Amino acid sequence: GAVVSQHPSRVICKSGTSVKIECRSLDFQATTMFWYRQFPKQSLMLMATSNEGSKATYEQGVEKDKFLINHASLTLSTLTVTSAHPEDSSFYICSARDRRILSLETQYFGPGTRLLVL
Amino acid sequence: KQEVTQIPAALSVPEGENLVLNCSFTDSAIYNLQWFRQDPGKGLTSLLLIQSSQREQTSGRLNASLDKSSGRSTLYIAASQPGDSATYLCAVRPGFQKLVFGTGTRLLVSP
Repeated sequence: GAVVSQHPSRVICKSGTSVKIECRSLDFQATTMFWYRQFPKQSLMLMATSNEGSKATYEQGVEKDKFLINHASLTLSTLTVTSAHPEDSSFYICSARDRRILSLETQYFGPGTRLLVL
Repeated sequence: KQEVTQIPAALSVPEGENLVLNCSFTDSAIYNLQWFRQDPGKGLTSLLLIQSSQREQTSGRLNASLDKSSGRSTLYIAASQPGDSATYLCAVRPGFQKLVFGTGTRLLVSP
């Protein structure tokens, strides 16, 4: 089946530093990737939708200058949390759509990245 | 704004019990509803997807129902097993791609 990986699986960083999270589709090409954030005991919240080769579309309330998304290839999207602060500590999950599958509903999710900002 | 609520937040049952997880959503204008399973350290796994025109979907021991007009869905798990222990997420699709998730139900099935 389709596999989506994320790297790193967990990261601890100091406040003020930037952190990059990678999302890769391992056995398919993804025209669209989604980035979600999940705080403890809360639901997954869509942060942004990225399409290969174009700018990401951010959800209301998500700062695009703080959460930089790059989808430079059909198998890789990156989320960079710039100048991270403790309130950015969360679980970040990506998902990807297989370009071969016409159904817009089919998304494959990565295992998530746990970010802790000290 | 679409809001999705799941009840209960946590559930602990002995193996073999039949159980029902509930999901409610505030806006009935959805394309479909999807149930996922989330395991620690792993990605979400899609369990069942119900189109807005459908009433229910079944897969093995799982049965999901949808009452769009009342904004409710249930996930029925028959003869629960310890391997069913996970967090179950309900999500609705107000648009073609976007998913709005509920807060989840953490299920623990003890042997």
